[in-house]
Amino acid sequence: QKEVEQDPGPLSVPEGAIVSLNCTYSNSAFQYFMWYRQYSRKGPELLMYTYSSGNKEDGRFTAQVDKSSKYISLFIRDSQPSDSATYLCPRVDGNTPLVFGKGTRLSVIA
Amino acid sequence: NAGVTQTPKFRVLKTGQSMTLLCAQDMNHEYMYWYRQDPGMGLRLIHYSVGEGTTAKGEVPDGYNVSRLKKQNFLLGLESAAPSQTSVYFCASSSPTSAPYQQLKTYNEQFFGPGTRLTVL
Repeated sequence: QKEVEQDPGPLSVPEGAIVSLNCTYSNSAFQYFMWYRQYSRKGPELLMYTYSSGNKEDGRFTAQVDKSSKYISLFIRDSQPSDSATYLCPRVDGNTPLVFGKGTRLSVIA
Repeated sequence: NAGVTQTPKFRVLKTGQSMTLLCAQDMNHEYMYWYRQDPGMGLRLIHYSVGEGTTAKGEVPDGYNVSRLKKQNFLLGLESAAPSQTSVYFCASSSPTSAPYQQLKTYNEQFFGPGTRLTVL
């Protein structure tokens, strides 16, 4: 069993929709959680990170961690075609290399 | 700052040929990584380095070798290319970061290069 599992997608939504992307993790010792975004034919880039439980907001993006249920979510409000990308939630374990899953591909249709 | 750069951007090889992929970073990062990305497989770690002169195996190291002779460069070598090595290769670098509100804890933000598309015929 992978330590972080992600909804496989793909996900297609109309412009302006609220998008919810989700991951679950199994190791309760994990403290940091990251969301990477990867545009087609580009390298991944860090979108947001959060520590422990709670919400973190950055513009239209909100990262949420629920440690009791071991659930990680990324919400995108007023989604735009420019949000079309693959979103990744890697395993973050101290200084060890990030472990990525397949990610969720999102398409926002104008 | 150029960040993480990769050379070449594209390459086509014949089975059995060798080549070296070069990764360079100008952020003075200690750690560097090589990943490959295949459709339906996600990013998989090939090798990584936690400092100049050190290397370690990742999830899928077979068929690849690496060297970190200079802190800013990380080379990935294919001695005898096989069609199974057709993939997009991403290099990344990082330095352990202490969270501003939790000095005892670190996390590892990795910065990625633009990728090298390799086809082995």
